[in-house]
Amino acid sequence: ETGVTQTPRHLVMGMTNKKSLKCEQHLGHNAMYWYKQSAKKPLELMFVYSLEERVENNSVPSRFSPECPNSSHLFLHLHTLQPEDSALYLCASSQDWTSGGVATQYFGPGTRLLVL
Amino acid sequence: GENVEQHPSTLSVQEGDSAVIKCTYSDSASNYFPWYKQELGKGPQLIIDIRSNVGEKKDQRIAVTLNKTAKHFSLHITETQPEDSAVYFCAASKANTGGFKTIFGAGTRLFVKA
Repeated sequence: ETGVTQTPRHLVMGMTNKKSLKCEQHLGHNAMYWYKQSAKKPLELMFVYSLEERVENNSVPSRFSPECPNSSHLFLHLHTLQPEDSALYLCASSQDWTSGGVATQYFGPGTRLLVL
Repeated sequence: GENVEQHPSTLSVQEGDSAVIKCTYSDSASNYFPWYKQELGKGPQLIIDIRSNVGEKKDQRIAVTLNKTAKHFSLHITETQPEDSAVYFCAASKANTGGFKTIFGAGTRLFVKA
């Protein structure tokens, strides 16, 4: 266990559905990340939250909407997704750079998403 | 743009042999280099890391070397075992406004044959 949990672990949704992915970290970190992992591609950083503020949005389509209500929780709201959005979505957390720590990210197990 | 190149993409070794995975980074401001292991059905897990003020670090059968001048770093696994079979990712990181900027390599799928 890494201290980062994600639910659900698997999700199948139609293109017109609305669903949310949840991430929770128990490590006392103050930065959280969403990544997309597709087959045979590098990890794609989607969003970064630091101290509950979004500090990075890597040109992600608006059908993905993140939410960070506090430093321990991160959500990814999904709506009108496309089949090419099928992938493993990974959440990670780390200390923020202002803490003087290093950038070690701790990953959750991921949510395997299939869009039909 | 900034990137991290990782080679090979696939590596197959016999149990007991050594495995070496190499990465090259482009951003000279990178100062922290973690390595992650991802097993099937799991998220990436940190296995070893190195900071830019260190040239080599070892933890049991795993070692990492860093050449800042050449912007190369490598993962060495000795006496490989079947449970070492997984996908390994290197990464290069630096402090950035509001957080850390971390670039991951594309991954190396390691097969250890019993």
